[in-house]
Amino acid sequence: QKEVEQNSGPLSVPEGAIASLNCTYSDRGSQSFFWYRQYSGKSPELIMSIYSNGDKEDGRFTAQLNKASQYVSLLIRDSQPSDSATYLCAVGNQAGTALIFGKGTTLSVSS
Amino acid sequence: GAGVSQSPSNKVTEKGKDVELRCDPISGHTALYWYRQSLGQGLEFLIYFQGNSAPDKSGLPSDRFSAERTGGSVSTLTIQRTQQEDSAVYLCASSTGTTTIYEQYFGPGTRLTVT
Repeated sequence: QKEVEQNSGPLSVPEGAIASLNCTYSDRGSQSFFWYRQYSGKSPELIMSIYSNGDKEDGRFTAQLNKASQYVSLLIRDSQPSDSATYLCAVGNQAGTALIFGKGTTLSVSS
Repeated sequence: GAGVSQSPSNKVTEKGKDVELRCDPISGHTALYWYRQSLGQGLEFLIYFQGNSAPDKSGLPSDRFSAERTGGSVSTLTIQRTQQEDSAVYLCASSTGTTTIYEQYFGPGTRLTVT
């Protein structure tokens, strides 16, 4: 069974700090990787997508992918209380028909 | 532009009844996905539609679940003879992807409660 693993947290960081969220996946053939943010009672909101090894930056967010290690991470710089949410790592299946989601990491940013 | 829309936003039904959940994807998106999220659980894939291709139904948990997509746009997920374990948030997503999974955008979800 293909799996995506995340630490459930909570991950607590002070305002202005860097939050680092990590994810590992089991399917070595996966080609597409995503980070979603989900506020309590809301649906997932896409933050980043990454398809190639290395870093991808978008504003305060940086996604990092290492396919050899089957590892994806998300860095949030200058964390804000509004970043407090559950962050979901998602990996595309090889058939290209579905995302496999981790159970999410809860981030708490204190002011 | 308009995002993915779903209806109803909430549905309470009695055990054994049938329910229909509707999803209207983003205009121009050819791929449509259904997922469900149970309390404390991760998102679970249910079914995938792409254009006129046969859907990937591999995630449907039982034959009580079915879905269709008419005219390549609106989709309906039907759950027959609902059970309490069907209680969850049912999420629809759409994307422009064909053979590669591109960014999926989710609707607000339908919260189903089976009493």
